[in-house]
Amino acid sequence: SQQGEEDPQALSIQEGENATMNCSYKTSINNLQWYRQNSGRGLVHLILIRSNEREKHSGRLRVTLDTSKKSSSLLITASRAADTASYFCATAGNQFYFGTGTSLTVIP
Amino acid sequence: GAVVSQHPSWVICKSGTSVKIECRSLDFQATTMFWYRQFPKQSLMLMATSNEGSKATYEQGVEKDKFLINHASLTLSTLTVTSAHPEDSSFYICSARETALSSYEQYFGPGTRLTVT
Repeated sequence: SQQGEEDPQALSIQEGENATMNCSYKTSINNLQWYRQNSGRGLVHLILIRSNEREKHSGRLRVTLDTSKKSSSLLITASRAADTASYFCATAGNQFYFGTGTSLTVIP
Repeated sequence: GAVVSQHPSWVICKSGTSVKIECRSLDFQATTMFWYRQFPKQSLMLMATSNEGSKATYEQGVEKDKFLINHASLTLSTLTVTSAHPEDSSFYICSARETALSSYEQYFGPGTRLTVT
């Protein structure tokens, strides 16, 4: 069964704007990871945040984790048309479950 | 480092035939590999967890006699879709967990697109 739920399901923004996606999960985790997937392609690992971390940055990406609320958010700043893709959170414990994903469209 | 390959990248087969998909960890040893399937515009669904040298653990609702998984070595796991039907058409993705890591990091293959006609 899937572990994570993401919202929004779809998001459309103008280039240069920020995009925020949220992920909620159900059980305890060791870490949470965010992936991107271009249409019909494989997964690209974006960032991993461990259960004892609250925030992490990587370039234009900022991830937060609130284990008390069992939720995480991914912020992409200054979005670009090339950021158009589906974004998934995945929770890692003994197994690995993906969220439902957010489809992001960045309009040039 | 930590590269996972899949072969083939895409395959088209006729209904009733069997298809084998390979997942290899190229530069690390993986005691555990995972198989996922993804339908268009949907998320990845975990099908089974494969441990080297032992039987795979299947998720609820996944037919183990239809999706045969073999993990014979620390660098190779195979998924065989037996007697494929059009509804088995999907994107299949494997991932591998590095033996030495305790952080549960996984590395994903590029996926195999299966089309059953």
